[in-house]
Amino acid sequence: NAGVTQTPKFQVLKTGQSMTLQCAQDMNHNSMYWYRQDPGMGLRLIYYSASEGTTDKGEVPNGYNVSRLNKREFSLRLESAAPSQTSVYFCASSEVQVTEAFFGQGTRLTVV
Amino acid sequence: GENVEQHPSTLSVQEGDSAVIKCTYSDSASNYFPWYKQELGKRPQLIIDIRSNVGEKKDQRIAVTLNKTAKHFSLHITETQPEDSAVYFCAASAYNNNDMRFGAGTRLTVKP
Repeated sequence: NAGVTQTPKFQVLKTGQSMTLQCAQDMNHNSMYWYRQDPGMGLRLIYYSASEGTTDKGEVPNGYNVSRLNKREFSLRLESAAPSQTSVYFCASSEVQVTEAFFGQGTRLTVV
Repeated sequence: GENVEQHPSTLSVQEGDSAVIKCTYSDSASNYFPWYKQELGKRPQLIIDIRSNVGEKKDQRIAVTLNKTAKHFSLHITETQPEDSAVYFCAASAYNNNDMRFGAGTRLTVKP
């Protein structure tokens, strides 16, 4: 099993460009999440999807949109990238809420 | 929403010593408290978790304690080894709430 797979691993964007981060899990999990990780600030929840067909805002949703394409896939879109969105992004999944979350390998995004 | 505070931000110990990391949370409805370990450049991985109906849980050299009245929980690592060096994150969430909040992290260094 691959677990949680994110693409790409690295990305450099210019301010104002758009891009989509892809995430897929093969564990038949119901819940999926997008976090960003910044130095000294831990992991902050951007959006989550409790189940296929539903999405909800987390702690820091501004500037992002998400799509739960099916049970396996959960994408994160930056419509107009800003330098403040420079971060490491992690996708995660869990069987249901309040159970172990499995993380992808992360995407290091730099916005110049 | 939930607010999780974690202390200390950095911790350095000698090999064989014990290490303790403490977290406090604000939402009395929280009932799931996982701890994640993140090695440099890697994804976070669950090392131990505890639910609110349990006061203490142990797994070999790692233990977690929970005080629901005081709203704090702690990670204890005994007989530390150099491979324990990593960043450790605590988190808290409530049943039926996917908004899992993480602490800012503790960088543990174990000196040989």
